[in-house]
Amino acid sequence: DTGVSQDPRHKITKRGQNVTFRCDPISEHNRLYWYRQTLGQGPEFLTYFQNEAQLEKSRLLSDRFSAERPKGSFSTLEIQRTEQGDSAMYLCASSPRGWDSLWTEAFFGQGTRLTVV
Amino acid sequence: AQSVTQLDSQVPVFEEAPVELRCNYSSSVSVYLFWYVQYPNQGLQLLLKYLSGSTLVKGINGFEAEFNKSQTSFHLRKPSVHISDTAEYFCAVSGGGSGTYKYIFGTGTRLKVLA
Repeated sequence: DTGVSQDPRHKITKRGQNVTFRCDPISEHNRLYWYRQTLGQGPEFLTYFQNEAQLEKSRLLSDRFSAERPKGSFSTLEIQRTEQGDSAMYLCASSPRGWDSLWTEAFFGQGTRLTVV
Repeated sequence: AQSVTQLDSQVPVFEEAPVELRCNYSSSVSVYLFWYVQYPNQGLQLLLKYLSGSTLVKGINGFEAEFNKSQTSFHLRKPSVHISDTAEYFCAVSGGGSGTYKYIFGTGTRLKVLA
């Protein structure tokens, strides 16, 4: 399977604990995105990487959230001191640089569903 | 700033009937438009995209959409739906010339196909 892979698929954690999610993008895709999706809502942009550089962060991404993409390959999203409001589906997506540098579509992973109890 | 409005949160339709899911966007510059489908507990799958060229875009599973710049709309249509089309559909916008590469999504439309 050469799609976007996310791990774990499900995570249940107690309030106050730290969690880390991993995303493996499609090989050679240089753009990687993190989104958060709550029930009945569309995906909300969190952050975006071009290769290893984090180029944009949403104001939704509080200082408890941190994302990395070392070496421009896989990415991790860490949430420290989790709160019940962090319960959501966390989606990762990747996209290639288009042949003419225009946009192409983002390819999404299956997501990691986080439940904070 | 860019935004997307999906006017209908839920659309029930009988099998083999036509359907239109509405999407309006807001942007002061040129945009790129996408429709994604999401099945329960799954990620998003691209149905179709408009980058440039013909305003009528055909996608997978028999879906098509028409880009209307004057009305800032990108409505999704299918002439005859199937039970398997039951899912959540999201319209998204990107681009705009500002150098941002993020995709902005609408709140989604739940399509329920009835037998």
